[in-house]
Amino acid sequence: EDKVVQSPLSLVVHEGDTVTLNCSYEVTNFRSLLWYKQEKKAPTFLFMLTSSGIEKKSGRLSSILDKKELFSILNITATQTGDSAVYLCDYLKTGANSKLTFGKGITLSVRP
Amino acid sequence: AAGVIQSPRHLIKEKRETATLKCYPIPRHDTVYWYQQGPGQDPQFLISFYEKMQSDKGSIPDRFSAQQFSDYHSELNMSSLELGDSALYFCASSYTGWGASTDTQYFGPGTRLTVL
Repeated sequence: EDKVVQSPLSLVVHEGDTVTLNCSYEVTNFRSLLWYKQEKKAPTFLFMLTSSGIEKKSGRLSSILDKKELFSILNITATQTGDSAVYLCDYLKTGANSKLTFGKGITLSVRP
Repeated sequence: AAGVIQSPRHLIKEKRETATLKCYPIPRHDTVYWYQQGPGQDPQFLISFYEKMQSDKGSIPDRFSAQQFSDYHSELNMSSLELGDSALYFCASSYTGWGASTDTQYFGPGTRLTVL
């Protein structure tokens, strides 16, 4: 059975801290891993990772995929209160029109 | 840039009533996905359409039906509403087409359905 496990489930940090969010997966016919940020609205796309070892960056956020060890990390540096959200990790399998299957999500709270 | 549009944004219905949610994908996107997110839960995949045909089916109740129209917009029809149907319903769209798909699904703002 395919599964995604995110850790930690929740964390609280202070502004300026750096956080690392983890997502491990066991998926047959794995194609891509995606990170989304969800505040009190629809999920917002962050990264899609298909190749192992290639870091993707967007401002203070970066992410990398390890297809050998079957995990991905999402790093956020110099956190801000606006980073407070639930971060969802999900996967796509090979095959057209693959639906997203989300992990439980990581609740990040950034305190001033 | 144009995003996924969903309407209505909020809907309040009573038990046993019917509701129709609409989704307008990003222009040139040909694939639409529907998700249901209950309070404090992860989004759960319901159903998807590619080129007006159902492409995948998840945990969609038999009381629900959906379709994609020629202009690629989609409607989710929900009948005999139950209290447990109260949730946020997201629509997402992506481009599949020929060649490499974008994989990335872009979400609409969601429709919050409350069943009283």
